[in-house]
Amino acid sequence: KAGVTQTPRYLIKTRGQQVTLSCSPISGHRSVSWYQQTPGQGLQFLFEYFSETQRNKGNFPGRFSGRQFSNSRSEMNVSTLELGDSALYLCASSPMGAGDYEQYFGPGTRLTVT
Amino acid sequence: TQLLEQSPQFLSIQEGENLTVYCNSSSVFSSLQWYRQEPGEGPVLLVTVVTGGEVKKLKRLTFQFGDARKDSSLHITAAQPGDTGLYLCAGARQSGTYKYIFGTGTRLKVLA
Repeated sequence: KAGVTQTPRYLIKTRGQQVTLSCSPISGHRSVSWYQQTPGQGLQFLFEYFSETQRNKGNFPGRFSGRQFSNSRSEMNVSTLELGDSALYLCASSPMGAGDYEQYFGPGTRLTVT
Repeated sequence: TQLLEQSPQFLSIQEGENLTVYCNSSSVFSSLQWYRQEPGEGPVLLVTVVTGGEVKKLKRLTFQFGDARKDSSLHITAAQPGDTGLYLCAGARQSGTYKYIFGTGTRLKVLA
């Protein structure tokens, strides 16, 4: 099975712009979660989507949003970028069947805001 | 609020040595996962522990979940340079806003 894929792998944006990141989960996985990883804050949960619905949300401002499509692919959008948004954005997929707890991560998108 | 504290934060050891990484919380988790992450890549799942007191072995790595499901440890026997990386624990909660809480991380370097 192919793993979780994320595009693009690297992105450079200017403060004030917006950005859209894409994630394709492992085939058959219905849950997609997004995380932000920075050296200072570590890995922080953004939100989780399951069957096209946002099921859980972390403590991030409304500038961060996401969606999931019927094929389970997910996108994350950040509007009005700030310098502090520079981070590695990770997507993780999970089967989310009964008793399923594992998440499988993609390689991430490295976002640099200048 | 950081709910999962890992110790030590940094560890540099010689090849062949043993080490233990700890993951502690005041919260109860329904399960706990350990990951290893290499620079520029996403975390790779090593193991999931679910039952209090559970011990799992993965070659030279031994994982234990605390009896109360609030803490966990990772023990590496005879560390090798290939074990170098950032080790992360993550607790899963069935209720509340956050689904998975990640630990602060332990950066391990094994010198040849």
